Amino acid sequence: EPEVTQTPSHQVTQMGQEVILRCVPISNHLYFYWYRQILGQKVEFLVSFYNNEISEKSEIFDDQFSVERPDGSNFTLKIRSTKLEDSAMYFCASKGLAGAGEQFFGPGTRLTVL
Amino acid sequence: DQQVKQNSPSLSVQEGRISILNCDYTNSMFDYFLWYKKYPAEGPTFLISISSIKDKNEDGRFTVFLNKSAKHLSLHIVPSQPGDSAVYFCAAIRYSGGSNYKLTFGKGTLLTVNP
Repeated sequence: EPEVTQTPSHQVTQMGQEVILRCVPISNHLYFYWYRQILGQKVEFLVSFYNNEISEKSEIFDDQFSVERPDGSNFTLKIRSTKLEDSAMYFCASKGLAGAGEQFFGPGTRLTVL
Repeated sequence: DQQVKQNSPSLSVQEGRISILNCDYTNSMFDYFLWYKKYPAEGPTFLISISSIKDKNEDGRFTVFLNKSAKHLSLHIVPSQPGDSAVYFCAAIRYSGGSNYKLTFGKGTLLTVNP
């Protein structure tokens, strides 16, 4: 069964450093998303991406964040200068044309900013 | 901004019994509701969904009920099994046109099914 994969599973970085979180969505999906979950809090929407452009972004997704689909398979989230409060689980999700809204999530990347 | 609320952080039931997980929402513009299940160290897994124009959807042991007037939905699991033990998230979508189907999540309810 096709699945969304994410690498790395855990990323530790120093405050102020850049990180890139990588995702490989399900191959025939067209809509891509990043969500994050700070420990003990709800899963929050960050950004949606369709047709090679951002379709919506949340208030969290400020100028320090960017997304890219550099080739036909990868979908990346870059944080330019990490802050302590960026520590969270980051989930990538994708959605196909079928279905009304079901998104398929990857296992997540745990980002720890020291 | 708690548009989707799950007021019970945890629920414990006996194997074989019914589990009822509840969710309330405040935004009457939501068009579609979903339940996700999440095991530790995994991403959320889609379970079942319901359109806002329906009041019930059933899939095997899982049934979702929607009460639009009360802005309330619930997930029923019958019979509950130990493997159902997980965190259950309620989520909602408002179709804003274009190409976005962003999910708004509740905080989740930890279900424990005891053998």
